[in-house]
Amino acid sequence: NAGVMQNPRHLVRRRGQEARLRCSPMKGHSHVYWYRQLPEEGLKFMVYLQKENIIDESGMPKERFSAEFPKEGPSILRIQQVVRGDSAAYFCASSPGQVMDTEAFFGQGTRLTVV
Amino acid sequence: TQLLEQSPQFLSIQEGENLTVYCNSSSVFSSLQWYRQEPGEGPVLLVTVVTGGEVKKLKRLTFQFGDARKDSSLHITAAQPGDTGLYLCAATNAGNNRKLIWGLGTSLAVNP
Repeated sequence: NAGVMQNPRHLVRRRGQEARLRCSPMKGHSHVYWYRQLPEEGLKFMVYLQKENIIDESGMPKERFSAEFPKEGPSILRIQQVVRGDSAAYFCASSPGQVMDTEAFFGQGTRLTVV
Repeated sequence: TQLLEQSPQFLSIQEGENLTVYCNSSSVFSSLQWYRQEPGEGPVLLVTVVTGGEVKKLKRLTFQFGDARKDSSLHITAAQPGDTGLYLCAATNAGNNRKLIWGLGTSLAVNP
């Protein structure tokens, strides 16, 4: 039973380019969460999705960031026109239900570096 | 302002010593979780506590949730080098159990 798979593990982008981060949840999990981790700020919630629906995007920056979780395929976090401040580790977690009190499994993360 | 305050921020001890790390807040939480994160990896859940005063044991690790559900502690007995890592606490609010609020973590180094 494969865990949460994120790819790529490392991504380097130049300022102004687009970054696409992928997350395949664990088998049987239909709930996906994206978090961003910065050394001085810790992990911050970005968005919570179910298949084909965004449930809570209260942690997403208003511009340049978007997320989707299509009926088929992985969840995608998309960052347009990246800036240096977007450099961070982005983690995806999945769970079988919507309640985070239950066990949520995290992927290994994608480390985005904007140069 | 960090909603969850973890202390100490860094801890370096010798193998075999005992230690306690803390997670404190002025807010009441519906549940609290402890994770361990190794460099280059995602957080791995250790335990979830939901009841005020609850104590859970996981081998050499003992977790306690405060009576008022505002704070928690993690005690490790006879630490081993394999315990090295970043220990993170995370919590959910009663009004929104869909997302976790995180502390900055305690970075633990256990020296052989």
